[in-house]
Amino acid sequence: DAGVIQSPRHEVTEMGQEVTLRCKPISGHNSLFWYRQTMMRGLELLIYFNNNVPIDDSGMPEDRFSAKMPNASFSTLKIQPSEPRDSAVYFCASSLGTGETQYFGPGTRLLVL
Amino acid sequence: GEDVEQSLFLSVREGDSSVINCTYTDSSSTYLYWYKQEPGAGLQLLTYIFSNMDMKQDQRLTVLLNKKDKHLSLRIADTQTGDSAIYFCAESSRSQGNLIFGKGTKLSVKP
Repeated sequence: DAGVIQSPRHEVTEMGQEVTLRCKPISGHNSLFWYRQTMMRGLELLIYFNNNVPIDDSGMPEDRFSAKMPNASFSTLKIQPSEPRDSAVYFCASSLGTGETQYFGPGTRLLVL
Repeated sequence: GEDVEQSLFLSVREGDSSVINCTYTDSSSTYLYWYKQEPGAGLQLLTYIFSNMDMKQDQRLTVLLNKKDKHLSLRIADTQTGDSAIYFCAESSRSQGNLIFGKGTKLSVKP
């Protein structure tokens, strides 16, 4: 298996632009997680899905952030409009089920100028 | 709420043993994990221990769990420069459905 796949690996954009991050979980995994990592706040859970349904989005910073999972093999995290404080590494992870071992993708490094 | 605490830094000499410590608060945790993050990379699962175990050994890695004190440790024997990374402790519970991560311990290995 290729593991969790994320794209793009790097993104540089200007403040106010829309940013879309993509994730393909490991085939057969039913749970998908979006995390954000910064020096100041460490690793934060933004949202997670189980069987394509959002279960907990309490970590989503504000309405500028939205996440979707239209099917079992694809999820997006969108930031609109982006701001410099959104600069971070965004990780996607998947697991067989809730509470199970999570496997992380390589991350998307986002820089908002 | 649940919380996982780790010291932020650890520095050892090559060949020595490293011990990274972690405390957690959720007594219903079913699994406890150690992840490794190398510079510029994602989190890699190193090892995990089920909550009804006291110890797990995997080559140079030894995980010790003291459930009474909610204390988890990761011992790396014969530490090498390639072990330099950030190590994250995490706990999970089926009721929560996600992992709670510590802030990570940065291990520096000096030659």
